[in-house]
Amino acid sequence: DAGVTQSPTHLIKTRGQQVTLRCSPISGHKSVSWYQQVLGQGPQFIFQYYEKEERGRGNFPDRFSARQFPNYSSELNVNALLLGDSALYLCASTLTVAGEEHFGDGTRLSIL
Amino acid sequence: AQKITQTQPGMFVQEKEAVTLDCTYDTSDQSYGLFWYKQPSSGEMIFLIYQGSYDEQNATEGRYSLNFQKARKSANLVISASQLGDSAMYFCAMRRTGRRALTFGSGTRLQVQP
Repeated sequence: DAGVTQSPTHLIKTRGQQVTLRCSPISGHKSVSWYQQVLGQGPQFIFQYYEKEERGRGNFPDRFSARQFPNYSSELNVNALLLGDSALYLCASTLTVAGEEHFGDGTRLSIL
Repeated sequence: AQKITQTQPGMFVQEKEAVTLDCTYDTSDQSYGLFWYKQPSSGEMIFLIYQGSYDEQNATEGRYSLNFQKARKSANLVISASQLGDSAMYFCAMRRTGRRALTFGSGTRLQVQP
């Protein structure tokens, strides 16, 4: 069975641009969470979606938004990119809202 | 608020030896879960082991065991018989029961030497 898949694997953007990251959960998993991992730190929670509804939000500005589609895949959007948004963005899926998280390989975003 | 502290930025261990990675946590909640994840250089977070706050037995999964001391708020990971493939970053994390987000520590980089 396929695990959590994220695309693209790497991305380079410039300040002020917008970016969309994509995530496909494990088949049957209805919950998707997004985390940001800055170099040298642990991941920080951004969003969780379950059954297409936002179920949790971390301490991130409104420039960050997300949505979940009927097939449970998800997109994370970041507007007006800043240098500090450079990070590994991890997507995780769970079978239930509070289940064990299964992570993808992440999208490495670099802002120039 | 919850906080996870991992005080060992880096650890070295000889192949086939056991190693303990430290994790302390701070929470006022009575019901919570503690997790350990492994992150190789590829970036993927690999789930290793879980301990619930009400579990009386320490969790074990193969070569991984969790030394849970609730009164001291510690949840140390013990890896027995280290292998070269164990070289990676290790993160301790916790989640309040019924809540969504995992709170991670800053991680420990483990290097296994032949």
